Amino acid sequence: DTEVTQTPKHLVMGMTNKKSLKCEQHMGHRAMYWYKQKAKKPPELMFVYSYEKLSINESVPSRFSPECPNSSLLNLHLHALQPEDSALYLCASSHLRTGSITSYEQYFGPGTRLTVT
Amino acid sequence: EDQVTQSPEALRLQEGESSSLNCSYTVSGLRGLFWYRQDPGKGPEFLFTLYSAGEEKEKERLKATLTKKESFLHITAPKPEDSATYLCAVHPRAYSGAGSYQLTFGKGTKLSVIP
Repeated sequence: DTEVTQTPKHLVMGMTNKKSLKCEQHMGHRAMYWYKQKAKKPPELMFVYSYEKLSINESVPSRFSPECPNSSLLNLHLHALQPEDSALYLCASSHLRTGSITSYEQYFGPGTRLTVT
Repeated sequence: EDQVTQSPEALRLQEGESSSLNCSYTVSGLRGLFWYRQDPGKGPEFLFTLYSAGEEKEKERLKATLTKKESFLHITAPKPEDSATYLCAVHPRAYSGAGSYQLTFGKGTKLSVIP
């Protein structure tokens, strides 16, 4: 099973709202990622978690707050977003590169289409 | 600076008309090259990983190859359901620690297969 699930599929929120995006995987991956993708552009990395600890924050504004409650779950908390934050938000997961792991491709979820009004 | 360039940006094929998509890369050492397929409004779907020059992988009508400077995604006798954007991404060897999980994506090739 190479499935990453994301909820909700669509989200419309006002600039003063607080909402959360959720991601789950059961592949035993210990690296999880959040990406943002605008139309006709490739995915842009936002955050990387390895062993449930935040490893990379690509200078993302504080209105985006990631959380990794356990090795299967990843959340992205949203607060006071701007209209330019409207995009497809993608979660991905992969194995961490260790001696026993030879393949570490990232598997993506279906995404959450976020619209900020 | 690591760079990935995909060409063409868009490709229209008649059903059954075979062709190739190109992904050229400039990285300080390659740890892996990945091909993904992305349908509109959906997440990228993993297709192939290539690790070393000369390696080839196949899946149905798709075949991916790798040289030291580029990768090709060959599509044989495409069908309309192969229409999608194909993304190439590289995993540079130079990144260490947490950064070693970052991918550098190309901008993609949008493939349209006409019945």
